[in-house]
Amino acid sequence: DAGVIQSPRHEVTEMGQEVTLRCKPISGHNSLFWYRQTMMRGLELLIYFNNNVPIDDSGMPEDRFSAKMPNASFSTLKIQPSEPRDSAVYFCASSRDRDYFSYEQYFGPGTRLTVT
Amino acid sequence: SQQGEEDPQALSIQEGENATMNCSYKTSINNLQWYRQNSGRGLVHLILIRSNEREKHSGRLRVTLDTSKKSSSLLITASRAADTASYFCATDSRGGNNRLAFGKGNQVVVIP
Repeated sequence: DAGVIQSPRHEVTEMGQEVTLRCKPISGHNSLFWYRQTMMRGLELLIYFNNNVPIDDSGMPEDRFSAKMPNASFSTLKIQPSEPRDSAVYFCASSRDRDYFSYEQYFGPGTRLTVT
Repeated sequence: SQQGEEDPQALSIQEGENATMNCSYKTSINNLQWYRQNSGRGLVHLILIRSNEREKHSGRLRVTLDTSKKSSSLLITASRAADTASYFCATDSRGGNNRLAFGKGNQVVVIP
């Protein structure tokens, strides 16, 4: 298996521009997570999908952030408009969860976002 | 909010020595997991210990869980330079919604 695939790996954009991050989870996994990691705040869960349905989006910073999962093999995280404080590494992870018991999460390589 | 809290935050040891990290949490859990993150990479799952287990081994890793004290420890024996990384604990709250709460991480540097 190729593991969790994220694209792009690096993104540099100017403040105000729209940014779209993409994720392909591991086939057969039914849960997908978007995280953001910064030195100051550590690893933060932004949103979590189960069977393509958003379950918990309480970590989404504000309305500028949105996430979709149109099918079991694809998810996007969009920031519009982007701001310098959004600069971080964004990770996508997937897992095979069952009956409210969490199994190990498999992380993608991350997207390093820099907003100037 | 982050539930897992690792202690100590940073550890520097000589190759061949053992490294021990601790993690505390606040609520009842289904399981506790440990992850490793090498610089510039995603997190990699190391080991999962269920709430009804007290100790688990995987290669050079030994994890203990004390649910009465709500704490866990990760021991890496005979450390190698390749073990240099950040180590995170994560908990899955019982009755929760499958999300994991990650701690802030322990940075471990193994000096060759």
